[in-house]
Amino acid sequence: KAGVTQTPRYLIKTRGQQVTLSCSPISGHRSVSWYQQTPGQGLQFLFEYFSETQRNKGNFPGRFSGRQFSNSRSEMNVSTLELGDSALYLCASSQGLSTYNEQFFGPGTRLTVL
Amino acid sequence: GQQLNQSPQSMFIQEGEDVSMNCTSSSIFNTWLWYKQDPGEGPVLLIALYKAGELTSNGRLTAQFGITRKDSFLNISASIPSDVGIYFCAGLFKGTYKYIFGTGTRLKVLA
Repeated sequence: KAGVTQTPRYLIKTRGQQVTLSCSPISGHRSVSWYQQTPGQGLQFLFEYFSETQRNKGNFPGRFSGRQFSNSRSEMNVSTLELGDSALYLCASSQGLSTYNEQFFGPGTRLTVL
Repeated sequence: GQQLNQSPQSMFIQEGEDVSMNCTSSSIFNTWLWYKQDPGEGPVLLIALYKAGELTSNGRLTAQFGITRKDSFLNISASIPSDVGIYFCAGLFKGTYKYIFGTGTRLKVLA
């Protein structure tokens, strides 16, 4: 079974631009979560989607948004990029059910904002 | 954002030594996960725990779900150089699907 895939792996943007990151979950998984990882703040939860609906949301500004498609693939968008948005963005998938909540991560997208 | 207390923050050990790390929370979790992350990569799931008191092994790794449901422990026996990396715990509140992550333990193994 293929793992979680994320594209692109690396991205360089400038302040004020917007960016879209993509995540394909493990086949059969309906939940996709997004995290921001920085050296200073660790792994911070952005949001979680299940069956095309945002089910959980972290404490990030509205510039961070996401969506999930009917095939469970998910995209994350960051508008009006700031220098502080430079981070490793990780996507994780799980079945999303009340039991067997094992969550598997993709390799991440390294975003650099100049 | 919310995070679990994970300790130690970092540790240097000699190859062949055993390693212990733990995560504690003021809240009760119904699932604990342990991950290892190598530089520039995503975390890899090592062990999942679902019941208080549960003890689960994966090769040289053993993790336990604390009886109080507020803590979890990870032990690595006979460490080897490839054990180097950052280890994270993650807890899940009952009835939610939002994982809370520990601050990480950076492990360095001296050959």
